[in-house]
Amino acid sequence: QQQVKQSPQSLIVQKGGISIINCAYENTAFDYFPWYQQFPGKGPALLIAIRPDVSEKKEGRFTISFNKSAKQFSLHIMDSQPGDSATYFCAASKGTYKYIFGTGTRLKVLA
Amino acid sequence: GAGVSQSPSNKVTEKGKDVELRCDPISGHTALYWYRQSLGQGLEFLIYFQGNSAPDKSGLPSDRFSAERTGGSVSTLTIQRTQQEDSAVYLCASQWTGRTDTQYFGPGTRLTVL
Repeated sequence: QQQVKQSPQSLIVQKGGISIINCAYENTAFDYFPWYQQFPGKGPALLIAIRPDVSEKKEGRFTISFNKSAKQFSLHIMDSQPGDSATYFCAASKGTYKYIFGTGTRLKVLA
Repeated sequence: GAGVSQSPSNKVTEKGKDVELRCDPISGHTALYWYRQSLGQGLEFLIYFQGNSAPDKSGLPSDRFSAERTGGSVSTLTIQRTQQEDSAVYLCASQWTGRTDTQYFGPGTRLTVL
Protein backbone atom coordinates (compact mmCIF):
# COMPACT_ATOMS: atom_id res chain seq x y z
CA GLN A 1 0.00 0.00 0.00
CA GLN A 2 3.02 2.23 0.35
CA GLN A 3 4.26 1.75 -3.20
CA VAL A 4 4.29 4.31 -5.98
CA LYS A 5 4.39 2.68 -9.39
CA GLN A 6 6.03 4.68 -12.18
CA SER A 7 6.05 4.08 -15.92
CA PRO A 8 7.62 3.91 -18.39
CA GLN A 9 11.08 2.97 -17.21
CA SER A 10 12.62 4.78 -20.16
CA LEU A 11 11.31 7.15 -22.79
CA ILE A 12 12.70 8.54 -26.03
CA VAL A 13 11.05 11.62 -27.50
CA GLN A 14 11.85 13.80 -30.46
CA LYS A 15 12.69 17.43 -29.84
CA GLY A 16 9.49 19.44 -29.68
CA GLY A 17 7.39 16.44 -28.73
CA ILE A 18 5.42 15.76 -25.56
CA SER A 19 6.90 13.55 -22.86
CA ILE A 20 4.42 11.80 -20.57
CA ILE A 21 5.35 9.92 -17.41
CA ASN A 22 2.75 8.21 -15.27
CA CYS A 23 2.56 7.28 -11.61
CA ALA A 24 0.01 5.39 -9.56
CA TYR A 25 -0.36 5.12 -5.81
CA GLU A 26 -2.47 3.08 -3.42
CA ASN A 27 -2.48 4.92 -0.12
CA THR A 28 -5.39 7.36 -0.12
CA ALA A 29 -3.81 9.20 2.81
CA PHE A 30 -1.13 10.63 0.52
CA ASP A 31 -1.69 14.35 0.03
CA TYR A 32 1.47 15.67 -1.60
CA PHE A 33 2.84 14.58 -4.97
CA PRO A 34 6.16 16.06 -6.13
CA TRP A 35 8.16 15.35 -9.24
CA TYR A 36 11.94 15.45 -9.10
CA GLN A 37 14.42 15.79 -11.96
CA GLN A 38 17.87 14.26 -11.69
CA PHE A 39 20.81 14.83 -14.01
CA PRO A 40 23.74 12.39 -14.02
CA GLY A 41 26.03 12.92 -11.06
CA LYS A 42 23.62 15.31 -9.37
CA GLY A 43 21.05 14.98 -6.64
CA PRO A 44 17.35 15.13 -7.51
CA ALA A 45 15.82 18.61 -7.70
CA LEU A 46 12.17 19.50 -7.25
CA LEU A 47 10.51 20.20 -10.57
CA ILE A 48 6.86 20.66 -9.72
CA ALA A 49 4.42 19.41 -7.09
CA ILE A 50 0.69 19.12 -6.60
CA ARG A 51 -1.80 18.57 -3.84
CA PRO A 52 -5.02 16.59 -4.43
CA ASP A 53 -7.32 19.59 -4.15
CA VAL A 54 -6.51 20.51 -7.77
CA SER A 55 -6.57 18.37 -10.90
CA GLU A 56 -3.83 20.13 -12.79
CA LYS A 57 -0.85 22.36 -12.16
CA LYS A 58 1.26 23.99 -14.82
CA GLU A 59 4.66 25.61 -14.55
CA GLY A 60 6.12 26.64 -17.86
CA ARG A 61 6.43 23.57 -20.08
CA PHE A 62 5.78 21.19 -17.17
CA THR A 63 2.27 20.10 -16.18
CA ILE A 64 1.07 17.69 -13.53
CA SER A 65 -2.30 16.06 -14.13
CA PHE A 66 -3.91 14.48 -11.06
CA ASN A 67 -6.77 11.99 -11.01
CA LYS A 68 -7.78 11.43 -7.41
CA SER A 69 -10.42 8.79 -8.10
CA ALA A 70 -8.00 6.71 -10.15
CA LYS A 71 -5.13 7.40 -7.75
CA GLN A 72 -2.93 8.39 -10.64
CA PHE A 73 -0.87 11.42 -11.55
CA SER A 74 1.28 12.22 -14.50
CA LEU A 75 3.96 14.62 -15.67
CA HIS A 76 3.67 16.17 -19.11
CA ILE A 77 6.65 17.95 -20.64
CA MET A 78 5.54 20.05 -23.58
CA ASP A 79 7.92 21.04 -26.37
CA SER A 80 10.54 18.64 -25.00
CA GLN A 81 14.13 19.80 -25.39
CA PRO A 82 17.45 17.91 -25.34
CA GLY A 83 18.22 19.72 -22.08
CA ASP A 84 15.25 17.92 -20.52
CA SER A 85 17.10 14.61 -20.89
CA ALA A 86 17.32 13.36 -17.32
CA THR A 87 15.79 10.87 -14.92
CA TYR A 88 12.42 11.84 -13.48
CA PHE A 89 11.04 10.56 -10.20
CA CYS A 90 7.52 10.89 -8.92
CA ALA A 91 6.85 10.70 -5.21
CA ALA A 92 3.98 10.72 -2.78
CA SER A 93 3.72 11.53 0.89
CA LYS A 94 1.33 12.25 3.69
CA GLY A 95 2.19 15.74 4.67
CA THR A 96 5.78 16.55 3.90
CA TYR A 97 7.33 13.59 5.57
CA LYS A 98 9.06 10.54 4.17
CA TYR A 99 8.39 10.62 0.47
CA ILE A 100 7.71 7.31 -1.25
CA PHE A 101 9.49 7.53 -4.58
CA GLY A 102 8.74 5.82 -7.87
CA THR A 103 11.50 3.87 -9.56
CA GLY A 104 12.29 6.63 -12.04
CA THR A 105 11.96 7.27 -15.77
CA ARG A 106 15.01 7.91 -17.91
CA LEU A 107 14.03 10.46 -20.55
CA LYS A 108 16.08 11.07 -23.67
CA VAL A 109 15.08 13.87 -26.00
CA LEU A 110 16.58 13.57 -29.45
CA ALA A 111 17.87 16.71 -31.11
CA GLY B 1 22.57 30.46 0.23
CA ALA B 2 24.51 27.22 0.02
CA GLY B 3 22.71 24.04 -0.75
CA VAL B 4 23.06 20.62 0.83
CA SER B 5 26.63 19.39 0.65
CA GLN B 6 27.91 15.85 1.02
CA SER B 7 31.36 14.39 1.40
CA PRO B 8 33.16 12.57 0.06
CA SER B 9 31.71 12.65 -3.45
CA ASN B 10 33.18 9.21 -4.13
CA LYS B 11 34.31 6.50 -1.77
CA VAL B 12 35.92 3.22 -2.71
CA THR B 13 36.42 0.74 0.08
CA GLU B 14 37.17 -2.90 0.61
CA LYS B 15 34.59 -5.37 1.79
CA GLY B 16 34.51 -5.51 5.56
CA LYS B 17 35.74 -1.97 6.16
CA ASP B 18 33.68 0.72 7.89
CA VAL B 19 32.78 3.95 6.10
CA GLU B 20 31.42 7.31 7.20
CA LEU B 21 29.46 9.59 4.90
CA ARG B 22 28.83 13.21 5.81
CA CYS B 23 25.94 15.54 5.10
CA ASP B 24 25.80 19.29 5.71
CA PRO B 25 22.19 20.42 5.40
CA ILE B 26 20.94 23.84 4.45
CA SER B 27 21.30 26.17 7.41
CA GLY B 28 18.09 26.41 9.43
CA HIS B 29 16.55 23.25 8.03
CA THR B 30 15.22 21.14 10.86
CA ALA B 31 14.59 17.92 8.97
CA LEU B 32 17.22 15.70 7.40
CA TYR B 33 16.86 12.49 5.40
CA TRP B 34 19.20 9.83 4.11
CA TYR B 35 18.29 7.85 0.99
CA ARG B 36 20.04 5.12 -0.96
CA GLN B 37 19.93 4.98 -4.74
CA SER B 38 21.12 1.74 -6.26
CA LEU B 39 21.99 1.50 -9.95
CA GLY B 40 18.87 1.99 -12.01
CA GLN B 41 16.66 2.06 -8.94
CA GLY B 42 14.57 4.64 -7.19
CA LEU B 43 15.34 6.32 -3.93
CA GLU B 44 15.13 4.08 -0.88
CA PHE B 45 14.43 5.87 2.40
CA LEU B 46 16.93 5.07 5.13
CA ILE B 47 16.50 7.42 8.10
CA TYR B 48 14.87 10.72 9.06
CA PHE B 49 15.85 13.29 11.68
CA GLN B 50 13.48 16.04 12.80
CA GLY B 51 14.73 18.54 15.33
CA ASN B 52 15.33 16.94 18.69
CA SER B 53 12.86 14.11 18.14
CA ALA B 54 13.97 10.50 18.05
CA PRO B 55 15.00 9.63 14.49
CA ASP B 56 12.87 7.41 12.29
CA LYS B 57 15.22 4.53 11.54
CA SER B 58 12.64 2.33 9.88
CA GLY B 59 14.41 2.28 6.51
CA LEU B 60 17.83 1.13 7.67
CA PRO B 61 18.45 -2.21 5.94
CA SER B 62 20.50 -3.81 8.69
CA ASP B 63 22.16 -3.10 12.01
CA ARG B 64 25.37 -2.39 10.13
CA PHE B 65 23.85 0.96 9.20
CA SER B 66 23.60 3.82 11.67
CA ALA B 67 23.36 7.57 11.54
CA GLU B 68 23.63 10.49 13.87
CA ARG B 69 22.96 14.17 13.66
CA THR B 70 24.99 16.41 15.91
CA GLY B 71 23.68 19.73 17.13
CA GLY B 72 20.71 19.53 14.83
CA SER B 73 22.94 20.17 11.83
CA VAL B 74 25.60 17.91 10.34
CA SER B 75 24.75 14.25 9.93
CA THR B 76 26.96 11.21 9.51
CA LEU B 77 25.83 7.91 8.03
CA THR B 78 28.03 5.01 9.11
CA ILE B 79 28.13 1.64 7.43
CA GLN B 80 30.04 -1.02 9.34
CA ARG B 81 31.60 -4.12 7.79
CA THR B 82 30.64 -3.02 4.29
CA GLN B 83 29.35 -5.56 1.81
CA GLN B 84 29.33 -5.40 -1.99
CA GLU B 85 25.56 -4.95 -1.98
CA ASP B 86 26.07 -1.68 -0.09
CA SER B 87 27.49 -0.16 -3.27
CA ALA B 88 25.14 2.68 -4.22
CA VAL B 89 24.76 6.43 -4.21
CA TYR B 90 23.83 7.72 -0.78
CA LEU B 91 21.79 10.91 -0.91
CA CYS B 92 21.05 13.35 1.85
CA ALA B 93 18.14 15.78 1.79
CA SER B 94 17.12 18.57 4.13
CA GLN B 95 13.80 20.27 4.62
CA TRP B 96 12.62 23.37 6.45
CA THR B 97 9.59 21.61 7.90
CA GLY B 98 6.65 23.86 8.62
CA ARG B 99 7.42 26.42 5.93
CA THR B 100 7.93 24.37 2.80
CA ASP B 101 7.27 20.88 1.53
CA THR B 102 10.40 20.69 -0.56
CA GLN B 103 13.19 18.29 0.23
CA TYR B 104 16.48 19.68 -1.07
CA PHE B 105 18.96 17.01 -2.07
CA GLY B 106 22.71 17.01 -1.97
CA PRO B 107 24.82 15.65 -4.85
CA GLY B 108 25.28 12.30 -3.13
CA THR B 109 28.20 10.08 -2.23
CA ARG B 110 28.93 7.23 -4.60
CA LEU B 111 30.08 4.27 -2.54
CA THR B 112 31.83 1.37 -4.20
CA VAL B 113 32.62 -1.72 -2.15
CA LEU B 114 35.21 -3.97 -3.77
